[in-house]
Amino acid sequence: QVQLVESGGGVVQPGRSLRLSCVASGFTFSRYGMHWVRQAPGKGLEWVAVISYDGSNKYYADSVKGRFTISRDISKNTLYLQMNSLRAEDTAIYYCARPRDYYDHSGYYAYWGQGTLVTVSS
Amino acid sequence: DIVMTQTPLSLPVTPGEPASISCRSSQSLLHSDNGNTFLDWYLQKPGQSPQLLIYALSYRASGVPDRFSGGGSDTDFTLKISRVEAEDVGVYYCMQRLEFPFTFGPGTKVDIK
Repeated sequence: QVQLVESGGGVVQPGRSLRLSCVASGFTFSRYGMHWVRQAPGKGLEWVAVISYDGSNKYYADSVKGRFTISRDISKNTLYLQMNSLRAEDTAIYYCARPRDYYDHSGYYAYWGQGTLVTVSS
Repeated sequence: DIVMTQTPLSLPVTPGEPASISCRSSQSLLHSDNGNTFLDWYLQKPGQSPQLLIYALSYRASGVPDRFSGGGSDTDFTLKISRVEAEDVGVYYCMQRLEFPFTFGPGTKVDIK
């Protein structure tokens, strides 16, 4: 069965960096676009970034553009989110999500991970 | 960016009664090439990750009870629950994926009266 397991969250000071990981299993990772979605404490969902199945296309929310980088390692079945210059407003649970259909990075989210909490605080 | 709004933001419900949530987008979500409407509904139950309920306007996801239905067109959408059950409590989000950045509505919190 499809599993997405995020890790790498924690407490970090403003201006510092953090890298999140999402290990995928139960499907052919190299065929699927992948997304990051976040949720600030007690708030709604915010789309963060997407990477196409082959890594050739990447899109970001304006709120993270220039600071966050999405990437993937096919050999490790792992999706990453490198977060630099972190701000207090980046505090959130970060989820990775997979569309239903392969090669379609604009598809609806059939699978979500359990999320990893990032807290940006001095 | 496409702005998504939802009403109401809070919805107390009585088990066995119907419920309805509205969602509106700032531009049409109808894809001109294929005729699909790129509007989905998710439910986030307390303490859980979101889960897909409805995709492409009106298609129920696998395992979703038929008491849930989605409808609407262009910029106005509705999620209906024909008879609410206690397990339906949580926050409901609409989301557009017509273009990046994908955007979510603010969420509608459904709880039992």
